[in-house]
Amino acid sequence: DGGITQSPKYLFRKEGQNVTLSCEQNLNHDAMYWYRQDPGQGLRLIYYSQIVNDFQKGDIAEGYSVSREKKESFPLTVTSAQKNPTAFYLCASFVNTGELFFGEGSRLTVL
Amino acid sequence: LAKTTQPISMDSYEGQEVNITCSHNNIATNDYITWYQQFPSQGPRFIIQGYKTKVTNEVASLFIPADRKSSTLSLPRVSLSDTAVYYCLVGEHSWGKLQFGAGTQVVVTP
Repeated sequence: DGGITQSPKYLFRKEGQNVTLSCEQNLNHDAMYWYRQDPGQGLRLIYYSQIVNDFQKGDIAEGYSVSREKKESFPLTVTSAQKNPTAFYLCASFVNTGELFFGEGSRLTVL
Repeated sequence: LAKTTQPISMDSYEGQEVNITCSHNNIATNDYITWYQQFPSQGPRFIIQGYKTKVTNEVASLFIPADRKSSTLSLPRVSLSDTAVYYCLVGEHSWGKLQFGAGTQVVVTP
């Protein structure tokens, strides 16, 4: 089945560690997005990528990094510079009919 | 990018119609209006999209007035499973910066 696969679903991190969240899609979509969601809040844009080897900062990019070496993959690294990384992270791909397709999310908890 | 404003929450009873209005005063000519539904601990899913007038699908209707400065999502005869957060998103069909607003929490009770 086509879709967006995020892993891991749950992740625990110690302070000072970098962690990488995986996002893979087999929908052949060019554009991909990362959002962060805190409890009871809306989605905030971290990074997005429109084509391979190119990406743009969203509203809250500080403390995060991404890469887009393949069309299918858009991993997000939460670095130690992100002071409050505990959140629900959502990856999505975008088709040019105007629809975002989301993965099931990754929940990161800092211990 | 057009900023959107929605009510924070709405309550309804089963079987009633729920109408959620989104304001987007600075919508651009090429912008479309898209609505998403999100359940707890899941990613949002597409409900409906429109550009002007009225659009209807099997789950909802979308009403857009001529000035396009607002839009109303209509959920007919809601059930308990319609309890969710609903987001209005305004933007072009190009692959740009897609930003969500705070969303509307809809709670349906028996």
